[in-house]
Formats: sequence, structure tokens, C-alpha cells
Amino acid sequence: QLVLTQSPTASASLGASVKLTCTLRSGHSNYVIAWHQQQPEKGPRYLMHLNSDGSHIKGDGIADRFSGSSSGAERYLTISSLQSEDEADYYCQTWDTGIQVFGGGTKLTVL
Amino acid sequence: QVQLVQSGAEVRKPEASVKVSCKASGYTFIGYAINWVRQAPGQRLEWMGWINAGNGDTKYSQKFQDRLTITRDTSATTVYMELSSLRSEDTAVYYCARVYDGYDWGAFDIWGQGTMVSVSS
Repeated sequence: QLVLTQSPTASASLGASVKLTCTLRSGHSNYVIAWHQQQPEKGPRYLMHLNSDGSHIKGDGIADRFSGSSSGAERYLTISSLQSEDEADYYCQTWDTGIQVFGGGTKLTVL
Repeated sequence: QVQLVQSGAEVRKPEASVKVSCKASGYTFIGYAINWVRQAPGQRLEWMGWINAGNGDTKYSQKFQDRLTITRDTSATTVYMELSSLRSEDTAVYYCARVYDGYDWGAFDIWGQGTMVSVSS
């Protein structure tokens, strides 16, 4: 079964870096995922899609501060030089033929 | 620019149906698949179903199989999501989203702005 697991919350200070994790269930460690940002009271926004080798393609206009990496079944989103507008929910997404799956989301607080 | 623009908020009574539209512009409509995703208040994103805008093929989440219909009008470059037999738990924001780069299944690279559907007696 295709499942994505994310920690519910994360926090980091203004100007610092934070690394969010999305974990694929065993047996699906080679799957591509996508990261999306959802700011308060707004719809989701595509950030990037991320391959198992860590290569990633970002969406138009996504700042260089956002980057992705991978290790085994884990997919990471790193945000550097945190700004107040980065405070948001971050969702990972994956898919197979006939199904789309989202992680539970991580609520990032910028201190 | 590439965008998906959805219809406005809806209020329905239980057992009624709702139909939400998603108008695409700025790209070749028939070349991309569109998905519908919903988000209940304070909850995670939940995938509902998919349509190939080119040939009209659809695929629905098992959860919604019996009461969800997704269609498209190629001349209007618009996709529609109709959910029937509404209950209070269907109160949510409904989003359409395009699949990246013309793939049938893949990352969602463009999202609509969302449509609030409220179900209350």
C-alpha cells in the first residue's frame, strides 16, 4: 500500500534552516514524490518533484532557498534562510497508476 | 499564464448534489490530466479522482466511486466535478490540479484556487 508519513509539526528560527522529512512505506523506496506548500488560508502551491537519487525539478518562481534531497525511502525538503512567509503546511505527494496519495502534512512554525 | 480557475462557493443540503467547475487556460487543455482533491477543515489533502482531458477517461478513489462524476468539455476547456448524496462530512474546500508535463499520473504542478462546499441542513 502506497503511504507517505510526515511529522505533524516542525519549528525553526527566522533566518535558520529546516529540513522536513517525508517517508515512503517499505517497498516503495524508489518512488518519486512532490512537495507542496500551503500557506494559511490559501490553496496548495507546487514546490518541486523529487527523485529517489535526490535530483529535483522546482516549479516556476520557487526560490533557491528551497531544495530537495533523498536517502533510501526518505525524501527531504530543506528551506534555508527562513522567512516569516515560509510558515505554512508542507505536504508530500506520490502516485502510481490509478492512485494519488498525500502525506499528513507538516506544520512549520517560524520562531 | 497557465491557470485553473474554479467556480464559486456552494451551499447544499444533505442528500443534494454539487457540481464544481475548473476552467483551464494558458496551455493545451487536451494534453494534460486533471485531478480533484479536497480538504476538510483542519484536515489533510485527500485525492478524489482523475480525468484524462484528451480522451475523457476517468479514475476515482474507491471512497468516492459511487457518488463522484468527473467530466470535461474540451470546447470550453473546463473540467467538472459532481458529488452526489452529500453529507455534512463533505464540507470541504475542493481543488482541481493539473498533472505535470502531460503525464497521466504524476506531480500536481498547477492548482486551482479552491471552491468551498458547505453541506448543512
